[in-house]
Amino acid sequence: DVKVTQSSRYLVKRTGEKVFLECVQDMDHENMFWYRQDPGLGLRLIYFSYDVKMKEKGDIPEGYSVSREKKERFSLILESASTNQTSMYLCASSPRQFSRNQPQHFGDGTRLSIL
Amino acid sequence: TQLLEQSPQFLSIQEGENLTVYCNSSSVFSSLQWYRQEPGEGPVLLVTVVTGGEVKKLKRLTFQFGDARKDSSLHITAAQPGDTGLYLCAGKGKETSGSRLTFGEGTQLTVNP
Repeated sequence: DVKVTQSSRYLVKRTGEKVFLECVQDMDHENMFWYRQDPGLGLRLIYFSYDVKMKEKGDIPEGYSVSREKKERFSLILESASTNQTSMYLCASSPRQFSRNQPQHFGDGTRLSIL
Repeated sequence: TQLLEQSPQFLSIQEGENLTVYCNSSSVFSSLQWYRQEPGEGPVLLVTVVTGGEVKKLKRLTFQFGDARKDSSLHITAAQPGDTGLYLCAGKGKETSGSRLTFGEGTQLTVNP
């Protein structure tokens, strides 16, 4: 069965801290994504990666960076956490040849609170 | 940037009632997916529609893709408490790069017993 695992379900950090969110997939997928989910705003794409060491900005990349050193792992980094980055963060993956019928597979999310 | 607007944002109904959720855009999408998300979990794909006018049924759920591929609807017949969740539509546009999806804001459905 396909599996996307996010390292933490809940995380509490302080303003100004550097925060790392980790995501691992076991499906040998080329594409990986980081979203944030806020009530009434749906899922907004932060960054995505279509190959090792490759990354592209999504719709809201400001304040975030990413790292993809291995195919199965995609990390989201908050360089200097701020309170407006308190949110639910979702990681997803999909195969490179993303046909129209194929889903993105999601992890269960990390609820991050910045105090 | 392509946008998808979902309505209503919240829906609270009694068991046995019917409901429809709408997903609208001014942009054309090559395909549209519907996901359901339950508390504490990530979204899970329900269906993909790819052809204008296409209708797909999944038990009591009926999904339709608009003729112009700019809109979609989800109709639930005789809703049950187990249908409770956040429903998200997501479109894959012709112009988007790679495997990006554009998500709607979501419809939070509560079905009361």
